[in-house]
Amino acid sequence: DSGVTQTPKHLITATGQRVTLRCSPRSGDLSVYWYQQSLDQGLQFLIQYYNGEERAKGNILERFSAQQFPDLHSELNLSSLELGDSALYFCASSRGGMSDHTEAFFGQGTRLTVV
Amino acid sequence: KNEVEQSPQNLTAQEGEFITINCSYSVGISALHWLQQHPGGGIVSLFMLSSGKKKHGRLIATINIQEKHSSLHITASHPRDSAVYICAVSPPDGLTFGKGTHLIIQP
Repeated sequence: DSGVTQTPKHLITATGQRVTLRCSPRSGDLSVYWYQQSLDQGLQFLIQYYNGEERAKGNILERFSAQQFPDLHSELNLSSLELGDSALYFCASSRGGMSDHTEAFFGQGTRLTVV
Repeated sequence: KNEVEQSPQNLTAQEGEFITINCSYSVGISALHWLQQHPGGGIVSLFMLSSGKKKHGRLIATINIQEKHSSLHITASHPRDSAVYICAVSPPDGLTFGKGTHLIIQP
């Protein structure tokens, strides 16, 4: 058990809908990262939050947004969903930012299926 | 943008064999990570390296910063080592991932 909790584990929704994925980081970790894993693109970095503030952005679509709350949990919001958004979404947390050379711990992922 | 290449893409070996998975990257990095992903999908962080060598049980990871290359070795491989092994680099925020090496260890 990595200590990172993601909910829900599975989500099936229709095209055009909006969903929210939730991540609770390990106790004491200030950074939360979101990643998308699809069959054709592999694992891709979406966005990082550090202590409530956006720190780095990767290949995140404009239809997607995220935030980190004062208790350090994070939510990833996906809207106007398309079939191609079907993927595994991982959250990871670390004590500092990646440039601080701190190890990242991954959640079990949320499997999103858009039908 | 950092390009991360892993080899081999697929590897099937017999139980007990010594396994080597390679990772090369194109641009200088802060750290390199080796991750393991089991068929259920969960990702486990095996190592984080910025220099030298690390060992954990039967797993050994090395990195050569000058050559921009890392290797993951598994000694005395076991069927439970069957998984996808993913190399990732942090340059300096987020991670850039290789496509993974699908390892199968046959009894």
